[in-house]
Amino acid sequence: GQSLEQPSEVTAVEGAIVQINCTYQTSGFYGLSWYQQHDGGAPTFLSYNALDGLEETGRFSSFLSRSDSYGYLLLQELQMKDSASYFCAGPFGGATNKLIFGTGTLLAVQP
Amino acid sequence: DVKVTQSSRYLVKRTGEKVFLECVQDMDHENMFWYRQDPGLGLRLIYFSYDVKMKEKGDIPEGYSVSREKKERFSLILESASTNQTSMYLCASSLRNTEAFFGQGTRLTVV
Repeated sequence: GQSLEQPSEVTAVEGAIVQINCTYQTSGFYGLSWYQQHDGGAPTFLSYNALDGLEETGRFSSFLSRSDSYGYLLLQELQMKDSASYFCAGPFGGATNKLIFGTGTLLAVQP
Repeated sequence: DVKVTQSSRYLVKRTGEKVFLECVQDMDHENMFWYRQDPGLGLRLIYFSYDVKMKEKGDIPEGYSVSREKKERFSLILESASTNQTSMYLCASSLRNTEAFFGQGTRLTVV
């Protein structure tokens, strides 16, 4: 099967560091992406990991361990504007790979 | 900038009506997707298309069909709308499924 699991909610305070985890079923897995969605908005792309290890983009980093079928998004120096839903996603399959999203994690940043 | 445009932001339809949701992208992407988003369920894939006239079922295709007559346009059709199809519908396009671009969504209410 093809599914990605995330915690439903995470709460943190401004300035802190938060980690959002994602575990996935391995059938046809190619790589892991992360998307941010503010309330009422469309999802926007944050990062993609094709290989194991850490990818850093400013305050956001994303990690992948294919042997553990696990990845995470790390947000540093949290700001109020980071309050949003975060989704992991993966292209699964062969020649006609479909893009499957996780269940989403609602991050609430408190002052 | 990549642009994915959905024809309507809000739509209200009656039970039993045939409903067309249109999506157009301007980046010559091969892959296009339709998702529905419901609270607590994340983004669920309805159908996707990897080329003109080519389509594949996603995880929840029942009650829906799609059409891709031109590369830039991907239409979602609700053959006979039902109240359980009330949802936010999101269209996306992607070149290699490592990064997807989303439209603003259509909030459909079936009464």
